[in-house]
Amino acid sequence: QKEVEQNSGPLSVPEGAIASLNCTYSDRGSQSFFWYRQYSGKSPELIMFIYSNGDKEDGRFTAQLNKASQYVSLLIRDSQPSDSATYLCAVNAPGGFKTIFGAGTRLFVKA
Amino acid sequence: DVKVTQSSRYLVKRTGEKVFLECVQDMDHENMFWYRQDPGLGLRLIYFSYDVKMKEKGDIPEGYSVSREKKERFSLILESASTNQTSMYLCASRDRGGREQFFGPGTRLTVL
Repeated sequence: QKEVEQNSGPLSVPEGAIASLNCTYSDRGSQSFFWYRQYSGKSPELIMFIYSNGDKEDGRFTAQLNKASQYVSLLIRDSQPSDSATYLCAVNAPGGFKTIFGAGTRLFVKA
Repeated sequence: DVKVTQSSRYLVKRTGEKVFLECVQDMDHENMFWYRQDPGLGLRLIYFSYDVKMKEKGDIPEGYSVSREKKERFSLILESASTNQTSMYLCASRDRGGREQFFGPGTRLTVL
């Protein structure tokens, strides 16, 4: 079992729709959770982080964390073609030094 | 503006060559990381360093070594390049108390 699992996609949504990206992790001791966005040919950039159970909203983005289910998700409201990218879920291992990345979900937003 | 730079965007080497990949950050960060990224496998940690001259193995250290003589610079060394080391290499840095990693632009290495 991979430590951080994501559906590779591609996930295709129409412009203006809600895109839902999901991630599960295996280490119950994990404390910090991140979503990075990576455009084709570019390096990853952080878009959201969450540490506590529940929802965290930032503009069109909402991160959701359920530690009991070991599940993290990212919702993108009013999806735009510029949101088309690969989204990487990342989890800090207990101790905090190492970050484990998922393989990423490719999102396409159709105009 | 935070910046992580890598010495080359593209590199082509021959099997058996010694390869140096350099990473420099200007944010005075304590932690630095080297990853490789391959399709379907995501980012995999090769080595990381939490201070000058300190290094720790990541998940896939075999065939690699690192050097951190100065705080701002973290070098990845392929002692004898092999074709299975063809990949995108990404460097990142993070400050001691922070959680966000800042990535360099990446080096696409091809070993022939």
